[in-house]
Amino acid sequence: SQKIEQNSEALNIQEGKTATLTCNYTNYSPAYLQWYRQDPGRGPVFLLLIRENEKEKRKERLKVTFDTTLKQSLFHITASQPADSATYLCAPQSGGYQKVTFGTGTKLQVIP
Amino acid sequence: DAGVIQSPRHEVTEMGQEVTLRCKPISGHDYLFWYRQTMMRGLELLIYFNNNVPIDDSGMPEDRFSAKMPNASFSTLKIQPSEPRDSAVYFCASSYQGQVETQYFGPGTRLLVL
Repeated sequence: SQKIEQNSEALNIQEGKTATLTCNYTNYSPAYLQWYRQDPGRGPVFLLLIRENEKEKRKERLKVTFDTTLKQSLFHITASQPADSATYLCAPQSGGYQKVTFGTGTKLQVIP
Repeated sequence: DAGVIQSPRHEVTEMGQEVTLRCKPISGHDYLFWYRQTMMRGLELLIYFNNNVPIDDSGMPEDRFSAKMPNASFSTLKIQPSEPRDSAVYFCASSYQGQVETQYFGPGTRLLVL
């Protein structure tokens, strides 16, 4: 069955460092992959989408890579700030754009 | 725009009672999604609509769950009868045809069934 794996352990990093979150998937070939941010008590917020023919995508301090051979996406936040502390969800998609399947998320804590 | 609006924000009920969750999507959006989020299972898609028509309800856990979208600005998710295992946060999200993959989530309804 299709499976999305994100590190369930919280990631703690020092302010100013680069945070790297991992998303691995098995048993399907996504046409694209999304990353969302979720703060406590709130709904997820869309951050970035990367397509299978794109190796890397950037938005301000965010960078996403997509390796279809390794079946993995990496999500980087450079010059991290305490305000970046949140849970980050990945969502690889193989079907139509409409149906989104989310990983369980990785909680990031940026320590001042 | 006010974003996706959900009500109530919190609901506490007793097992066996009927629960109705409400959602108002962003104006102009023609896709509406209902999700459930728990610690154990994460965020799961229950059902989604396009132009008020249910397209995929394969995620609805059982017959106790039902969803309707009588018009473009309103949807309900009903649980009857409710059970303790239904306790979760229920999110509604919407998107539009020009950018379907980007979903805008509401604040969620936190449901506790005692």
